[in-house]
Amino acid sequence: DAMVIQNPRYQVTQFGKPVTLSCSQTLNHNVMYWYQQKSSQAPKLLFHYYDKDFNNEADTPDNFQSRRPNTSFCFLDIRSPGLGDAAMYLCATSFGTGANTQYFGPGTRLTVL
Amino acid sequence: QKEVEQDPGPLSVPEGAIVSLNCTYSNSAFQYFMWYRQYSRKGPELLMYTYSSGNKEDGRFTAQVDKSSKYISLFIRDSQPSDSATYLCAMSAGGGATNKLIFGTGTLLAVQP
Repeated sequence: DAMVIQNPRYQVTQFGKPVTLSCSQTLNHNVMYWYQQKSSQAPKLLFHYYDKDFNNEADTPDNFQSRRPNTSFCFLDIRSPGLGDAAMYLCATSFGTGANTQYFGPGTRLTVL
Repeated sequence: QKEVEQDPGPLSVPEGAIVSLNCTYSNSAFQYFMWYRQYSRKGPELLMYTYSSGNKEDGRFTAQVDKSSKYISLFIRDSQPSDSATYLCAMSAGGGATNKLIFGTGTLLAVQP
């Protein structure tokens, strides 16, 4: 089945220790998104890639970076995690213009000690 | 004022009840409306997708959009314990190369057997 895969499902890191979250997709979608979702809150868009073009949300902290080496993979790098970065990180994909349907992965739950 | 408002609940109903979930919004440019279901510690799953005003039915689920009132609803008939989840409304103005979704905070639904 075509799908969005996130690894790891659970990640524990220490305060200030860099961490990388991974997303891969078999849908062949050209747009990939990263969201942060805290408990009982709406998913918050951090950034997205349209093909190779990176689009950062204005309020996304510099501590968050992303890489998309090819169509299938996208990474979220948190350079110096703080306690406030503990959250569920969701990857989503969509197929370009007009589709307006985003398909989400299962998420990675990040704990910062 | 948030662009999308959604009652966080929790909403507890007995099995077999009709459930009504609602969102209001302020941006009249929104024309694509979605409902996502999110089980605990999982990613959101697209449930219903509606363009502009009107009704859409899929099995036990009915989505309604009233653009004049800026109000959308999701009805669940014959609710089951397996429907227990958080329901997120999401909407987009569409257009452009990517589709930025604006989410509600979600309503937590518990269906009691």
